[in-house]
Amino acid sequence: EAQVTQNPRYLITVTGKKLTVTCSQNMNHEYMSWYRQDPGLGLRQIYYSMNVEVTDKGDVPEGYKVSRKEKRNFPLILESPSPNQTSLYFCASSLQVPYEQYFGPGTRLTVT
Amino acid sequence: AQSVTQPDIHITVSEGASLELRCNYSYGATPYLFWYVQSPGQGLQLLLKYFSGDTLVQGIKGFEAEFKRSQSSFNLRKPSVHWSDAAEYFCAVGAPSGGSNYKLTFGKGTLLTVNP
Repeated sequence: EAQVTQNPRYLITVTGKKLTVTCSQNMNHEYMSWYRQDPGLGLRQIYYSMNVEVTDKGDVPEGYKVSRKEKRNFPLILESPSPNQTSLYFCASSLQVPYEQYFGPGTRLTVT
Repeated sequence: AQSVTQPDIHITVSEGASLELRCNYSYGATPYLFWYVQSPGQGLQLLLKYFSGDTLVQGIKGFEAEFKRSQSSFNLRKPSVHWSDAAEYFCAVGAPSGGSNYKLTFGKGTLLTVNP
């Protein structure tokens, strides 16, 4: 089944403890992106990757890192999480721009 | 930079009634337009998209949307709503955005409640 998977789906952590949210797609898509969704703010792009080894900042990149060593994987790294990063995170992929993006199921992160 | 406005934060309709969700966008050229639906606890699912051509596009689950260039709108419609349509709906604009980026810019969403 063609899909975007994210792990973990739920995570509660403490301030400053490094964490990684994994994202993987099995559709051989070139483009991948991370979004965060907050009430009243909608979805905002954190980072994107046009293809392997090419990543760049979106609208809200502060406090996040990404890497794209393989086409299928695009992990999101929070080196020192803070409470303002409590949010619902979505990974998405697209065959290439400007085609539609397919979204993962989301990761709900709580930082205390 | 592109922007998307969904004027209605929350809409309530009765089952079987017709539905129209509004979406207005701001972009200098013809953008790529999308409607996504998010059910509680779920990710976003693509309902339909507009790239070019016929301005009335059909999607899944009986939804359709019409692109009106003169009004910068891309409203979503369904002739008869089912209880399972209760969800949050997001309009999105896809366009180049600085450097090599291409991104989706989302509206803030419209929450649809369906009364029995």
